[in-house]
Amino acid sequence: DIQMTQSPSTLSAFVGDRVTIACRASQSIGNWVAWFQQKPGKAPKLLIYRASTLGNGVPSRFSGSGSGTEFTLTISSLQPDDFATYYCQQYNSYFQTFGQGTKVEIK
Amino acid sequence: QVTLRESGPALVKPTQTLTLTCTFSGFSLSSSPTCVTWIRQPPGKALEWLARFDWNEDKYYRTSLQTRLTVSKDPSKDQVVLTMTNMHPEDTATYYCARVDAGVVSDWGQGILVTVSS
Repeated sequence: DIQMTQSPSTLSAFVGDRVTIACRASQSIGNWVAWFQQKPGKAPKLLIYRASTLGNGVPSRFSGSGSGTEFTLTISSLQPDDFATYYCQQYNSYFQTFGQGTKVEIK
Repeated sequence: QVTLRESGPALVKPTQTLTLTCTFSGFSLSSSPTCVTWIRQPPGKALEWLARFDWNEDKYYRTSLQTRLTVSKDPSKDQVVLTMTNMHPEDTATYYCARVDAGVVSDWGQGILVTVSS
């Protein structure tokens, strides 16, 4: 099974900060990575797929990059609505796996 | 507009079988490369992929749970059914169904919390 390791597990930041979340795959997965945002009590929402393609209606302050085993999600200027938990996911194989999540908190 | 909705029991007893139904609309499960997948999330923990039903009726399961899981589609309805046998307390989780389009989990149901307790 492909393991996805996210860092950090928790991140404290101010509104307006640039925030970066990292995700490492246990083996090369090309660019078959998606990122999701989840708020308490809600289903996850697709932000980015194929490592860097923005999902429908997702603000342009979100961006993704990477290929192979190293991937990042960047929020260029953190907004109050962005405080949530973020998950990376690989879909290189049918057995999709998620990272353990990164909680973005208000500093 | 794509919608998915999970339904089933909120409480099951240990050793019982869980049956969850995903009722969807706004897309066809007969069209390549569309799939419906099941994902769960224990309280306070990360997401965990469980199973997938493909447009061509191929089925895939989480390796560690494949002896307990079955996914199927009702041929007359836009519904995908997940069954999990021999439920344990550690199977307590919110269970989501979602649409997969070209491998991407693009649309999610609201989720259903299933508690396993005697």
